[in-house]
Amino acid sequence: QQQVKQSPQSLIVQKGGISIINCAYENTAFDYFPWYQQFPGKGPALLIAIRPDVSEKKEGRFTISFNKSAKQFSLHIMDSQPGDSATYFCAASISGGAQKLVFGQGTRLTINP
Amino acid sequence: DAGVIQSPRHEVTEMGQEVTLRCKPISGHDYLFWYRQTMMRGLELLIYFNNNVPIDDSGMPEDRFSAKMPNASFSTLKIQPSEPRDSAVYFCASSFERAYEQYFGPGTRLTVT
Repeated sequence: QQQVKQSPQSLIVQKGGISIINCAYENTAFDYFPWYQQFPGKGPALLIAIRPDVSEKKEGRFTISFNKSAKQFSLHIMDSQPGDSATYFCAASISGGAQKLVFGQGTRLTINP
Repeated sequence: DAGVIQSPRHEVTEMGQEVTLRCKPISGHDYLFWYRQTMMRGLELLIYFNNNVPIDDSGMPEDRFSAKMPNASFSTLKIQPSEPRDSAVYFCASSFERAYEQYFGPGTRLTVT
């Protein structure tokens, strides 16, 4: 029940296309859903996050869509660029509970020029 | 701030040897997390501290692993004795009050032969 399931494992998108990564969770106590971006040889870095009281959050070309009833959330990258090539992790946490993140398995995104 | 600092960046050791990984969190952060990343298992939380006190060590794989945080600016993760299956990238991360906004270090790539 503590798991966050992420798909796909890998994704190849053409430059200018839309990249979509999906995550699903079971624990309804989760109330914060961040996405982390990791470049090769670096640690993950917080990219964007959403709370379940909103259905969408947009920051530049990055958008999180949240479906509370389906217990699913997704990351959309518009106008994908080669510089977006990285591994993306979704995660979930319980703000009032144990202060830790549950990470998805990660998606390796490659943007072809 | 210099960010989270980890040392060494690379460690190659022989099976049976003791390995000590070091972490300096961002000044003022009250949470510190140790993670292990492998292709097979993704990003796994090993242990986390709050105000230098270990809160959850349920992710520590075996008694061969131990972690300490003697003060707010330093933490160690020790493996004794090391085994080839411990080969992975180990990340340290810190945060202030909220687990979802974690700042990761560059990681230590450990290879046990």
